[in-house]
Formats: sequence, structure tokens, C-alpha cells
Amino acid sequence: GIQVEQSPPDLILQEGANSTLRCNFSDSVNNLQWFHQNPWGQLINLFYIPSGTKQNGRLSATTVATERYSLLYISSSQTTDSGVYFCAPASGGSYIPTFGRGTSLIVHP
Amino acid sequence: EPEVTQTPSHQVTQMGQEVILRCVPISNHLYFYWYRQILGQKVEFLVSFYNNEISEKSEIFDDQFSVERPDGSNFTLKIRSTKLEDSAMYFCASSEGTRRYNEQFFGPGTRLTVL
Repeated sequence: GIQVEQSPPDLILQEGANSTLRCNFSDSVNNLQWFHQNPWGQLINLFYIPSGTKQNGRLSATTVATERYSLLYISSSQTTDSGVYFCAPASGGSYIPTFGRGTSLIVHP
Repeated sequence: EPEVTQTPSHQVTQMGQEVILRCVPISNHLYFYWYRQILGQKVEFLVSFYNNEISEKSEIFDDQFSVERPDGSNFTLKIRSTKLEDSAMYFCASSEGTRRYNEQFFGPGTRLTVL
């Protein structure tokens, strides 16, 4: 199956800082989602982005499918951004996403 | 905004007991899924369900697991004889259904603890 690598595994920021999270994947993808798992364990949809760039407030994402990576940008980080960010691409004939191990983000006030 | 709901939020059971986890997918969605996340690990796919039958399943989804859509709104995951290693967060998800557009929306999860 598809291999998914997320970096960095851990990230600590001061409130107001910007960051870029990376997701590399081993195969061509049919779709790709980014999720935020908050401290209560809930998985929140951030982006459905098989290709191109999308923006939603302080967050944006870019997927370059031909080069097999996706990036999640967080600008002006807030303490509520803390949690784990998962990338989940789906490849081949299956549309089932495979989750990476995530990037654990802590934003300090 | 429509959302996926799951009950119960927490379930504690004894090893060997049967448990049923319940989910209500988003009403116009046609594909349903179960995932699990063992504490501190990544989210793993268990099974997908469409048109009243399993469409895909992972190696984890062995004979002790079963899924059902007993009525027009609920989607359930049954674990027949729970093991200690079944302790995890179980997530239900749903999507609109066309395979070309498969954005999945997740429920809040059921935390299962097997003692």
C-alpha cells in the first residue's frame, strides 16, 4: 500500500508564529485529506485537496501530486491550533485514505 | 452543519464480551466507514460499507468484527468477543458516495476500553 511520511513529527511554536507541515507519499493519489485531531481526540476535516492549493482562514494547503507531496501552512498560530495534524492520501483503485503518523503541534501562549 | 454522531462516547467492557458501537452518518451520504486508533498511534482503516454490503475491509477486520445498517439511519460495528488489544478509539465516517469525490467526515469517536 501507499507509504505516508509526515514531518516534522513534533513541533513547538510560540503563539503568532507560522509553520509548514509536510506530507510525502509513495504513490500517485486519487484524493488527499488533512485532519486536525484536537486534544479531545476529535478528527476535524481541514482540507480535501487531491491537487492544487486551497485556503481557509489562517490555514492553507498545497498538493503537488506529480511530486508526491502535500504541505499544510499554518499562519499566526493560536493555542487552539494545538493537536495532531494528519495527512491521509488514497491511491490506486481504492479511495480509502491511509493516515500518516501525524505531526504533533503545541502552541504556547 | 450536518455531522456524524457516535454513541456511546466511552465504553468499558470485560474481555470476551460483545460490544456494539453505533453511528449515525450524515443523512445524504451513501458510503460508511469504521476506523480505529490505538492510543498514541495512527488511524487505521477497518471497513467500508455501501449499498448494504462491505465494499472493502482491512486485515484488521477479521471474523470477530461485523457491520450492519439495521435501519435507515444507524450504522453499527459489532465486536463479538473483545480482546485487550481491541482497546482503542473507534471512529465512524461517511462520504457522499461518488468514488471520484470521497471526502470523508468523521464522528467524534467511541473510546473502547477492554479490561
